[in-house]
Amino acid sequence: SQKIEQNSEALNIQEGKTATLTCNYTNYSPAYLQWYRQDPGRGPVFLLLIRENEKEKRKERLKVTFDTTLKQSLFHITASQPADSATYLCALLNQGGKLIFGQGTELSVKP
Amino acid sequence: DVKVTQSSRYLVKRTGEKVFLECVQDMDHENMFWYRQDPGLGLRLIYFSYDVKMKEKGDIPEGYSVSREKKERFSLILESASTNQTSMYLCASSASGGLLVLFFGSGTQLSVL
Repeated sequence: SQKIEQNSEALNIQEGKTATLTCNYTNYSPAYLQWYRQDPGRGPVFLLLIRENEKEKRKERLKVTFDTTLKQSLFHITASQPADSATYLCALLNQGGKLIFGQGTELSVKP
Repeated sequence: DVKVTQSSRYLVKRTGEKVFLECVQDMDHENMFWYRQDPGLGLRLIYFSYDVKMKEKGDIPEGYSVSREKKERFSLILESASTNQTSMYLCASSASGGLLVLFFGSGTQLSVL
């Protein structure tokens, strides 16, 4: 069955640096992949979607890449700020047409 | 502003009780979903619905049922609550067709004692 792996270890970085989060998946390549942000005690919020024929997508300080050969997506936050501290989830559509999520990676940006 | 509203932020119930979790969306979305989120296990799909009166099992439907009598409302029912159903429950909705982008509610933290 389709699996998604995100680094379960928290990522701690200094304000102003670029944060890079990784999402790896197994089995078939999805038509698109999504990234969500989740703050403690809240539901996830959609950030970006990247299609299989797109190598890169940008939105303000966010950049997502999608490598179907490596079966991997990278999520970058440039010029990170303490307000970017949250858990980031990647999600993809499995072959059954359901959206499945990774466990998420917690990002902590220190001033 | 789009909104998915879950009726309770926190609930404490006793083992064996019947529990109703309510979710309402104001975006006229056709699709609605119930997930549960547990540390180390991530988000897991319980049930979903692509239309009124319609429901489909997700990956972990055992011990749960759902009801969708109106387009905007999707209820999750725990027929007889058990301690292993203590979890954060998240409702989401999405428009039909095209890309499945989910809008989530704030979640209900359910504790079953």
